Amino acid sequence: DGGITQSPKYLFRKEGQNVTLSCEQNLNHDAMYWYRQDPGQGLRLIYYSQIVNDFQKGDIAEGYSVSREKKESFPLTVTSAQKNPTAFYLCASSPSGTSGGFYNEQFFGPGTRLTVL
Amino acid sequence: AQSVAQPEDQVNVAEGNPLTVKCTYSVSGNPYLFWYVQYPNRGLQFLLKYITGDNLVKGSYGFEAEFNKSQTSFHLKKPSALVSDSALYFCAVRNQAGTALIFGKGTTLSVSS
Repeated sequence: DGGITQSPKYLFRKEGQNVTLSCEQNLNHDAMYWYRQDPGQGLRLIYYSQIVNDFQKGDIAEGYSVSREKKESFPLTVTSAQKNPTAFYLCASSPSGTSGGFYNEQFFGPGTRLTVL
Repeated sequence: AQSVAQPEDQVNVAEGNPLTVKCTYSVSGNPYLFWYVQYPNRGLQFLLKYITGDNLVKGSYGFEAEFNKSQTSFHLKKPSALVSDSALYFCAVRNQAGTALIFGKGTTLSVSS
């Protein structure tokens, strides 16, 4: 899982609550990503950030929010507006999010499993 | 539209036999292709990538992949499967903007002893 940490490993949320998933990397990577994984659906992109203080919506951003105040941190908040948040959430990073990033693979954290009670 | 297809949900092979996990893609321009492996409740691990050059790419743990432009395929292969290769495998392609990866739905590989 390289130099990317995600916490907590397991998270339980009650209806109507916002929860924040942590993602930290010590790889000095510019770009960071959040994916959601559901059984049989592969990985779907929630948000990505190519540089500090900038981020873009992915394919399924509704009900989620992010911030990128530091290069090494990219926390994801799952808001109460997300209707079906139970899933496995994966954070990733890569050396460059701009044109040079075409060639670079992404490095993944160990994931956070979120369950709505 | 850019997409990746993994036509098999599951592949079963006996230990010692060769394995193939299939992947086809659809992108505009040159494809940048990746294979990842995921063990239960873990993150994804990078196996190999195709950027340009030789159509046969060698990666980690004895895996290789063959890029075929005319068939728009990037199949993952290994000459002799191990039980420890049993996992979920994902094929991915870089999106046209270069900002993220598009993943297939994954193929579960099961290697029996």
